[in-house]
Amino acid sequence: AQSVTQPDIHITVSEGASLELRCNYSYGATPYLFWYVQSPGQGLQLLLKYFSGDTLVQGIKGFEAEFKRSQSSFNLRKPSVHWSDAAEYFCAVGALEYGNKLVFGAGTILRVKS
Amino acid sequence: EPEVTQTPSHQVTQMGQEVILRCVPISNHLYFYWYRQILGQKVEFLVSFYNNEISEKSEIFDDQFSVERPDGSNFTLKIRSTKLEDSAMYFCASSEEHQETQYFGPGTRLLVL
Repeated sequence: AQSVTQPDIHITVSEGASLELRCNYSYGATPYLFWYVQSPGQGLQLLLKYFSGDTLVQGIKGFEAEFKRSQSSFNLRKPSVHWSDAAEYFCAVGALEYGNKLVFGAGTILRVKS
Repeated sequence: EPEVTQTPSHQVTQMGQEVILRCVPISNHLYFYWYRQILGQKVEFLVSFYNNEISEKSEIFDDQFSVERPDGSNFTLKIRSTKLEDSAMYFCASSEEHQETQYFGPGTRLLVL
C-alpha cells in the first residue's frame, strides 16, 4: 500500500535559520511528488512539484526539495526561514500506476521564533 | 492567476440532513477531485471525476456520497444523510490533465451536530 511519512509533527526554528522538513514515501511505482503549505484557515497552496528530470526542484517562496530515489525521500528545504513561513506543510505523492489520487503525509507544523 | 473556489466556507448541519458542497474548478481543467481532512488527521482522497463520470473513488466514498457537474463550471459533492463523523474540511481540486498538478481550493469546513 502507498504511504507517506512525515516524521516530524512539529518543528520550531529561529527566524533566519535554515529549515529541512522530511518526507519519505513507500510506493512500488514511479512516484510524482508535491509539497503543499496550509496557513491557518486557508487551503492547500502548492509549493513545488517533481515529476521527472532534475531531482532538485525549486518552488515558490524560496523553497526547494530534492528527490532521492535511493532513500525514497523528498525533503523540503529553505536556507533562511521568515516568520511568514509559519504554517503546516504537507508532502503528497502520486504514482502513474495508481491513477490520479494523491496520498498525503500527516503534515509538519512549522513554528518560527523571532 | 486562476484558482479553485469553494462555497460555502463553513457549513453547520444537523445529523441526517443533506448537504451540498460546491466548487468551481479552474476553467480549462478537465479532472476534478474531492478530498477531506478530519481535524487532526491526514488529507484523504475521496473521489476523482473526469468526462462526467467518476474515474476513481476511495473506500470512504460510499453510497451516501455523490458528485456531479451540473453545468459547465460547478462541481458538487453531496452527502445525503450526514453523520457526526462527516465533520471535516472538504477540499476540491482540479488538474488540467491526467496525473498533472492538482490545485486545491480553500476548503469548506463542515460541522455535523
